[in-house]
Amino acid sequence: GDSVTQMEGPVTLSEEACLTINCTYTATGYPSLFWYVQYPGEGLQLLLKATKADDKGSNKGFEATYRKETTSFHLEKGSVQVSDSAVYFCALSDRWANQAGTALIFGKGTTLSVSS
Amino acid sequence: ETGVTQTPRHLVMGMTNKKSLKCEQHLGHNAMYWYKQSAKKPLELMFVYSLEERVENNSVPSRFSPECPNSSHLFLHLHTLQPEDSALYLCASSQDWSSGLITGELFFGEGSRLTVL
Repeated sequence: GDSVTQMEGPVTLSEEACLTINCTYTATGYPSLFWYVQYPGEGLQLLLKATKADDKGSNKGFEATYRKETTSFHLEKGSVQVSDSAVYFCALSDRWANQAGTALIFGKGTTLSVSS
Repeated sequence: ETGVTQTPRHLVMGMTNKKSLKCEQHLGHNAMYWYKQSAKKPLELMFVYSLEERVENNSVPSRFSPECPNSSHLFLHLHTLQPEDSALYLCASSQDWSSGLITGELFFGEGSRLTVL
């Protein structure tokens, strides 16, 4: 079945450091890919998305490019801030798969901690 | 009012208790979801409702019983739970089920932290 694999955390960075959180996926069809963020004490929020190969999603300085050849969707940011400290979830939606009732499939989440 | 509201935020219950989690969305959405979030595990989809009809039951034990009386409210009734059921239970909604799959735009509540003793 479809699945998402994220790098294990926690990721600990200093302010203004570069961030990469790896995400790879397995899907039977042509998935859309998403990154969600969960700030402390809050629910998950959609951060960015890409719906087809080579698309780049971006929001709040974060970017991720849909790489079909490597089945990856790594999250990147050039300069992180303390306020970026959160849990980041990679997810996919394989609407073309023969799975009735499918909803988003999430990874385990990667905790990012940024210190000043 | 926030978009998706869950109550209670924290719940402690014994294995013989019966309790319920409540979710309310003020976004005019037609699809609602229950997810289970456990440490170091992917979010697990439990139930999906579209227009108050259940469209997905992801092999969830019968000790979890969902109820969707209307498109704005979703409940998760709990009875005879086990300690391993302790987790954060997240409710989410989307415009409708199919667009939720395409756009990925699910709106989540803050979750109900459940501890089973």
